[in-house]
Amino acid sequence: GAVVSQHPSRVICKSGTSVKIECRSLDFQATTMFWYRQFPKQSLMLMATSNEGSKATYEQGVEKDKFLINHASLTLSTLTVTSAHPEDSSFYICSARGGAGGYTFGSGTRLTVV
Amino acid sequence: QQQVKQSPQSLIVQKGGISIINCAYENTAFDYFPWYQQFPGKGPALLIAIRPDVSEKKEGRFTISFNKSAKQFSLHIMDSQPGDSATYFCAASNAGNMLTFGGGTRLMVKP
Repeated sequence: GAVVSQHPSRVICKSGTSVKIECRSLDFQATTMFWYRQFPKQSLMLMATSNEGSKATYEQGVEKDKFLINHASLTLSTLTVTSAHPEDSSFYICSARGGAGGYTFGSGTRLTVV
Repeated sequence: QQQVKQSPQSLIVQKGGISIINCAYENTAFDYFPWYQQFPGKGPALLIAIRPDVSEKKEGRFTISFNKSAKQFSLHIMDSQPGDSATYFCAASNAGNMLTFGGGTRLMVKP
């Protein structure tokens, strides 16, 4: 079945630094990738949608200059949290649309900003 | 605007019992209704999904019931097991666009 590999699974960074999260579709071409953010005991909130080779579409309230998304190939999308602050600490999850036509999720990245 | 409402927020079921989680949606353009299971610290995993041209779909112990006129769909977990204890999310999408998630249900199955 379709597999999406997300790395790293956990990252701790200092306030003010940047962190990159990678999401790869291993056995299918992901035409569209979605990035979600999930706070404890809450649902997934869509941050942005990215299509290969084009600029990402950000949801209202999501700072595009802070959360940089790159989808340069059909198998790789990255989310870079720039100048991270403690309030950016969260669980970030990517999802790829492709393969059998459904949505496949990565295993998530726990970001802690200290 | 919350387009997918999920209930209950939490659910406790005895082992062997039936777990029932309900969702209601507003957007009649939605054409894909999946259910996801999420364990702590992990991404959601697809359990089962349905499209609006059928009223029920069963896969093993999991069944989706879909009521198009009422704009509601539900997940039934038969013979619930402690290993089913997780958070369950319903979702909906339109024409392959983004998924809209319900608020989630934390299920605990007691041995």
